[in-house]
Amino acid sequence: GQQLNQSPQSMFIQEGEDVSMNCTSSSIFNTWLWYKQEPGEGPVLLIALYKAGELTSNGRLTAQFGITRKDSFLNISASIPSDVGIYFCAGGSNSGYALNFGKGTSLLVTP
Amino acid sequence: SQTIHQWPATLVQPVGSPLSLECTVEGTSNPNLYWYRQAAGRGLQLLFYSVGIGQISSEVPQNLSASRPQDRQFILSSKKLLLSDSGFYLCARTSGGYNEQFFGPGTRLTVL
Repeated sequence: GQQLNQSPQSMFIQEGEDVSMNCTSSSIFNTWLWYKQEPGEGPVLLIALYKAGELTSNGRLTAQFGITRKDSFLNISASIPSDVGIYFCAGGSNSGYALNFGKGTSLLVTP
Repeated sequence: SQTIHQWPATLVQPVGSPLSLECTVEGTSNPNLYWYRQAAGRGLQLLFYSVGIGQISSEVPQNLSASRPQDRQFILSSKKLLLSDSGFYLCARTSGGYNEQFFGPGTRLTVL
């Protein structure tokens, strides 16, 4: 499948800082999804985006579906230690079938 | 609510032994089901997906196989495990024609 370019690969920040990560692709997607995975657990869906230009929030998380449909970003405001984990972006082309995943952004938050 | 179960949670197997991992879902009918492998906590590799009973699509040729004997059951198997089969195996589902995939808790497989 199409490989997504996710950056940064890792982030080490202090509690209270804002975080921004993004994904880009050479292909157009109809769906952008953001997941968080904690050690030893399955990824958990954070935000799903279905329209170009869409901006969606979930608590301190905000994600946007790029207007070109080839990119998306995720912002976390006022980070806290429990935000630690690996964040994955995923793009979908055909409804209900395979997703294309980024390689993940590892986030570490120090108190 | 819709729930995904994976069994077992952890597994240690010798090289050359067979494998059977099970995924079952609750609270939804006719889901699309997926098997992923994740190595070293990064990168999800899609192995198989199924859109219905008996229907399997393979994404990566290897010594693994998948079966879907029932609507809500998805099984990952191998006749002879390799060291390179070690990893974290995740089952996921979609339903209702949407792209949102929901993951199970995973199975940690170590091949020695």
